[in-house]
Amino acid sequence: GNSVTQMEGPVTLSEEAFLTINCTYTATGYPSLFWYVQYPGEGLQLLLKATKADDKGSNKGFEATYRKETTSFHLEKGSVQVSDSAVYFCALIKNTDKLIFGTGTRLQVFP
Amino acid sequence: DVKVTQSSRYLVKRTGEKVFLECVQDMDHENMFWYRQDPGLGLRLIYFSYDVKMKEKGDIPEGYSVSREKKERFSLILESASTNQTSMYLCASLDRGRVAEAFFGQGTRLTVV
Repeated sequence: GNSVTQMEGPVTLSEEAFLTINCTYTATGYPSLFWYVQYPGEGLQLLLKATKADDKGSNKGFEATYRKETTSFHLEKGSVQVSDSAVYFCALIKNTDKLIFGTGTRLQVFP
Repeated sequence: DVKVTQSSRYLVKRTGEKVFLECVQDMDHENMFWYRQDPGLGLRLIYFSYDVKMKEKGDIPEGYSVSREKKERFSLILESASTNQTSMYLCASLDRGRVAEAFFGQGTRLTVV
């Protein structure tokens, strides 16, 4: 079946450091891929998305590229801020069916 | 803006009680979902619905049921609450347009004592 695997956290960084959170998926065909973010005490918000191979999603300085050959959708940011501290979830959906999530990665950014 | 509203942010219930968690969306979305979120386990799908009166089991449906009598409302029911159902519950609705995107409620933190 379809599944998403993302790196365990927490990821702890200093402000302005480079961020990578790895995400790989298993699915037949061409799912749509997403990164969601959950700030403390809140629900999930869509951060970025990509719907076909080689698409790059981007938002708020975050980027992720849909890599069909490696079945990956790694999240990157060149310079993190304290306000980026949150839990990040990688997710996929196939045929507008059900949204499948990874286990989430907690990011902690210190000044 | 799309809005998904869950009826409570925090709930405390006793073991054995019947518990209703309500979710309403205002964008005429067909698909709605209930997840529970637990540390280290991410989001696990309990039930989902792709139309009024239709429901499908997710990965962990045991101990739960759902109701979708109107398109905008999707209710999660704990028939007899147990302490292992203490969790954060998240409702989502899905735009089945060309680019599918789910919108989430703010979550309900349920504590069963």
